[in-house]
This record gives sequence, C-alpha cells and structure tokens, in this order.
Amino acid sequence: DAGVIQSPRHEVTEMGQEVTLRCKPISGHDYLFWYRQTMMRGLELLIYFNNNVPIDDSGMPEDRFSAKMPNASFSTLKIQPSEPRDSAVYFCASGGGGGDETQYFGPGTRLLVL
Amino acid sequence: GEDVEQSLFLSVREGDSSVINCTYTDSSSTYLYWYKQEPGAGLQLLTYIFSNMDMKQDQRLTVLLNKKDKHLSLRIADTQTGDSAIYFCAENRDDKIIFGKGTRLHILP
Repeated sequence: DAGVIQSPRHEVTEMGQEVTLRCKPISGHDYLFWYRQTMMRGLELLIYFNNNVPIDDSGMPEDRFSAKMPNASFSTLKIQPSEPRDSAVYFCASGGGGGDETQYFGPGTRLLVL
Repeated sequence: GEDVEQSLFLSVREGDSSVINCTYTDSSSTYLYWYKQEPGAGLQLLTYIFSNMDMKQDQRLTVLLNKKDKHLSLRIADTQTGDSAIYFCAENRDDKIIFGKGTRLHILP
C-alpha cells in the first residue's frame, strides 16, 4: 500500500481565496483524521470520520473550515475564505480502528496564506 | 489536566542513550504510542505499548510504562544523527489519539 496520500504537498494562496486539501486514506481503514500543526499550538485534531461519517468536529476552528468524506477512499478539507492565520501544515491520518487505534499519517500539506 | 505532557527539548551526544519522558492523563488508555517526526515529514509510528505491559524492546528502542504514575518513557540506545527528530508521546482516548507537544531531540557531535 502507498500509505496515506495527500495533495497538494505545498499550497501558497492569497487571503480570501478558497483552499481545498485532499486525502486518500489507506485502503481498508475506516477512520480518517484531519490535523493541523503549527509551532505555536502543536498538533491539533480538527475532525475525524468513521465509515465516512463525521464523528467529532469540535476541533474545527471556524465556519470557514469544512470537511467531507464522500466515500471510503477520499476526503477533503476546505477553507473558505482563507486567512493568513490558517498557515500551517495540515495532516491527514487513517486508522483501522481494530483495537490498537494506531494512526498512519500522510506527508502533510504545507499551506501558506499571504 | 487533560494534556499529555513531555519536555520540549533534549540534547544528547552521539553514541549516548536518549531518554524521553512523558506523562499521560487517562488511566483507562489501552495503548500508549511514540511517534517520530523528521523535518518536513509526517508523523511516523515508532512503537506502541499495550497498557498491561511494563516494557517493550525493539532493537535500539526500549519503552517503559509505569501505569501507577501514568509515566511513559522512550529510551534510544546508541543515539545516531539520524535519530534527530521530534518525538511525540500519545495515548488513545475513545476513538482518538491525544498527542503531546513533542520533544525535539538534538544530537551533539
């Protein structure tokens, strides 16, 4: 398996623009997690899905952020409109939920909002 | 508190052992984890320990778990320059994994 795949790897955009981050989890995993990492706040869980259903979105910072998982092999995290304080590395992780709760991380999308 | 806590920095000489310590919060956590993050990369699972174990060894890595004190440690024997990274302690809680803020391991020549 190729592991968790994220795209794009880097994104530079201007304030006010819409940003869409994409994730393909490991095949067979039924949990998918979106995290944000910054120097100031460390690693923050934004939202997670189980069997394509959002379970906990309490970490989503504002209404500007939304996430979807239309099927088991694809998820998006959208920021509209983007702001400079959204600049961070966004990670997607997937897990099998098979007892050990281990999560496997993608390489991340480094977002810079100017 | 509700946070997984670990020191932010550790400097170790090449060839020495590194010991990274962590305290977690939920005594019902079934699994405790150590993840490694190299510069510009995602988090990589290093090892995990089941809560009914006291110790787990995997090559140069030794994990010690003290459930009474909710203390977890990671020992890296014969530390190499390639071990330079951020190490995250984590515990499972419900469906989620709660991460510490990470310990940045710096290797001195």
